[in-house]
Amino acid sequence: AAGVIQSPRHLIKEKRETATLKCYPIPRHDTVYWYQQGPGQDPQFLISFYEKMQSDKGSIPDRFSAQQFSDYHSELNMSSLELGDSALYFCASSLGSVNEQYFGPGTRLTVT
Amino acid sequence: AQTVTQSQPEMSVQEAETVTLSCTYDTSENNYYLFWYKQPPSRQMILVIRQEAYKQQNATENRFSVNFQKAAKSFSLKISDSQLGDTAMYFCAFMKQPISSGSARQLTFGSGTQLTVLP
Repeated sequence: AAGVIQSPRHLIKEKRETATLKCYPIPRHDTVYWYQQGPGQDPQFLISFYEKMQSDKGSIPDRFSAQQFSDYHSELNMSSLELGDSALYFCASSLGSVNEQYFGPGTRLTVT
Repeated sequence: AQTVTQSQPEMSVQEAETVTLSCTYDTSENNYYLFWYKQPPSRQMILVIRQEAYKQQNATENRFSVNFQKAAKSFSLKISDSQLGDTAMYFCAFMKQPISSGSARQLTFGSGTQLTVLP
């Protein structure tokens, strides 16, 4: 079965640079979520989209923005990167908001 | 706000034995969902099992079952016939009931329990 696809899988950036993470949900899934998992921590919710509209917002810094496109893929844009942004970024998708969230393999971002 | 507590940072079990992971949560909501996810060394987050709060029957998925005690706000995971591939970090997660199809609710995770299955 098709899973959530995230690209790139690994990304190395320097401080103050920008990064764009992409997420392709499971086919027919209309809801996308973004989570950030720091080293040794549990995933923290950033933001979610349903049918291309922002649905819920968590602890997402103002330096970050995200959107969901007409083909349901989503992008997380991160600017003015800081060392503390180094983390594993997960995208998850679901069919509607009452069903299970299925996670992608994550993008490991390292800021040097 | 909801909180999820996993009081066992690490656990180990012998292969083929049974182990129970604990999870408690705090919420003022009446309708919600609870989940267990596992994160093996690959760091992939894998859904193990889901429980709807309105259902009294405990969820079961093959070797995985839960003991859901709504009044006590407890949601434990039992793994039977443990296998080496069960070695992973296990996260308990809470999600409020969406108020509409468009209200994509976030998962709130506990701090995780690292389970090691010993040969």
